[in-house]
Amino acid sequence: AQSVAQPEDQVNVAEGNPLTVKCTYSVSGNPYLFWYVQYPNRGLQFLLKYITGDNLVKGSYGFEAEFNKSQTSFHLKKPSALVSDSALYFCAVRALWGQNFVFGPGTRLSVLP
Amino acid sequence: GAGVSQSPSNKVTEKGKDVELRCDPISGHTALYWYRQSLGQGLEFLIYFQGNSAPDKSGLPSDRFSAERTGGSVSTLTIQRTQQEDSAVYLCASSLAGESGGFGPGTRLTVL
Repeated sequence: AQSVAQPEDQVNVAEGNPLTVKCTYSVSGNPYLFWYVQYPNRGLQFLLKYITGDNLVKGSYGFEAEFNKSQTSFHLKKPSALVSDSALYFCAVRALWGQNFVFGPGTRLSVLP
Repeated sequence: GAGVSQSPSNKVTEKGKDVELRCDPISGHTALYWYRQSLGQGLEFLIYFQGNSAPDKSGLPSDRFSAERTGGSVSTLTIQRTQQEDSAVYLCASSLAGESGGFGPGTRLTVL
């Protein structure tokens, strides 16, 4: 069965500093990996995905994520955090074409001015 | 183009009543998902439709919950005899198989 772990409930970072939101996964076969963001009182928004190819994926709002197969990780990163990045971040995985997404529990990111 | 839409945006109901939540997916998307998010919690999978295949209902929490997808497009999530613990935001998403797709804005359900 597929599963996703986000080991940190909360991440605090100062504005201008780099940020990392961690995600590890368990799936049979090659994974499709995704990051979504949920801003306060708004719906989920797609940030980026890894399907195949380059392990470093660039997405919306300056975010990027690195797929590491040996560590089964897909950590979300941004070189310089903004206060407006404060939100709830979800990592998701799906195992096969046409199968269901499984979401992690979410990590709340707070960027302090 | 138009994204995923859901209606109503808010629903307040009394315990024991039935409710229907509607999802209009992005046109042409073959996959449709229902999730719910309780206050401050993560996303809980409910049900997944993919084309003409039998839906994956493994996430439905009880037999009070059911969902249909008519004509491979619009989907309705029905909750019978609502309970207070059903209060949550119900999110619908659609995608082409293997792609990221989009989420609707959600329906906030409050059971009094």
